[in-house]
Amino acid sequence: EPEVTQTPSHQVTQMGQEVILRCVPISNHLYFYWYRQILGQKVEFLVSFYNNEISEKSEIFDDQFSVERPDGSNFTLKIRSTKLEDSAMYFCASNEQFFGPGTRLTVL
Amino acid sequence: GQQVMQIPQYQHVQEGEDFTTYCNSSTTLSNIQWYKQRPGGHPVFLIQLVKSGEVKKQKRLTFQFGEAKKNSSLHITATQTTDVGTYFCAGTGTYKYIFGTGTRLKVLA
Repeated sequence: EPEVTQTPSHQVTQMGQEVILRCVPISNHLYFYWYRQILGQKVEFLVSFYNNEISEKSEIFDDQFSVERPDGSNFTLKIRSTKLEDSAMYFCASNEQFFGPGTRLTVL
Repeated sequence: GQQVMQIPQYQHVQEGEDFTTYCNSSTTLSNIQWYKQRPGGHPVFLIQLVKSGEVKKQKRLTFQFGEAKKNSSLHITATQTTDVGTYFCAGTGTYKYIFGTGTRLKVLA
């Protein structure tokens, strides 16, 4: 059964550094999403992406965040200058319902 | 802003007992989805409800969408230890994909 994959599984970074989280959605899916989940809290929607552009974003997704689909398979989330409060699990999903295993981001 | 609340926050049940979690939105939803997340895992999609008053069943799980499309429930009959996890609802309304606060279910053998 096809799966969404994410790399790395865990990323540790210093505050102020840029990070890129990578996702490979399921190949014939068209809609892609990023969510985050702070430890012990609910899942929060960040952004949805369709047809090579952002279709919707939440108030969390400010200018520090960007998404790209640099090629036909990868879907990336970039955080330009990480803050301590960016520490969370970041989940990619394709076609809304298929979540990847997540990347745990720890900002020190 | 739009909020989706779930109750209870935690539920401990004996194996074999029933379990229900309730999801309430501050605004009308166009649809609602339910997910299960095991500890340390990622959300796993269970079902989507679209129609007012809709009821869907998956084996021991029964999902309901309220008539006003502002609330939903998930009922598990005769819980098993494999049902352990956090159950989230997620609604699509004014804002996309607002997740509920989740109900953490623990099943005691």
